[in-house]
Amino acid sequence: DTEVTQTPKHLVMGMTNKKSLKCEQHMGHRAMYWYKQKAKKPPELMFVYSYEKLSINESVPSRFSPECPNSSLLNLHLHALQPEDSALYLCASSQDQGLTYGYTFGSGTRLTVV
Amino acid sequence: AQTVTQSQPEMSVQEAETVTLSCTYDTSESDYYLFWYKQPPSRQMILVIRQEAYKQQNATENRFSVNFQKAAKSFSLKISDSQLGDAAMYFCAYRSAYRGGMRFGAGTRLTVKP
Repeated sequence: DTEVTQTPKHLVMGMTNKKSLKCEQHMGHRAMYWYKQKAKKPPELMFVYSYEKLSINESVPSRFSPECPNSSLLNLHLHALQPEDSALYLCASSQDQGLTYGYTFGSGTRLTVV
Repeated sequence: AQTVTQSQPEMSVQEAETVTLSCTYDTSESDYYLFWYKQPPSRQMILVIRQEAYKQQNATENRFSVNFQKAAKSFSLKISDSQLGDAAMYFCAYRSAYRGGMRFGAGTRLTVKP
């Protein structure tokens, strides 16, 4: 298995909803990442997990809450989002911090906040 | 902070011809890694090629090669014998050897004309 699987592929949520994005990989990677990508923009780093511990938080608002329950799973919990949070959310994973082989990305979750 | 600059928002190439996408970066670090990623309409980020900063030899992957000029902090991507399937958004990325998280440039949209 050489994939990063993200679910759901599309999500529409209201500003008062609570939802979660899920990311899974079975490549034995010990680093996982969340990126946010607005239309026609590059991906922006949100969180870095290394060995299931949060190592980087790029000053992301607290309405985004990451969770790494084990080395294969990475969740992003969403609560009280704003319309400007609508974007493509990409998950990625890597061996050895991504230095040798880069990151393997999922296909993303297209999030729309209404 | 490291920055990655792609000065060409859009490029166009005739099928079977060669095209070069430019990328410059700014860093004070001596050890880092550079990547080119491709993002087709399917949204998934696909690694095209990578370069270690400590290596002088330019990386090559089949029809893709880079021109890495460390002193000039330049990292261009050359695509030879362009194919219709090469049409995508191309992102240049920087990854420090010292801390996590890959940083992307703004991207270049490549169109391949039949």
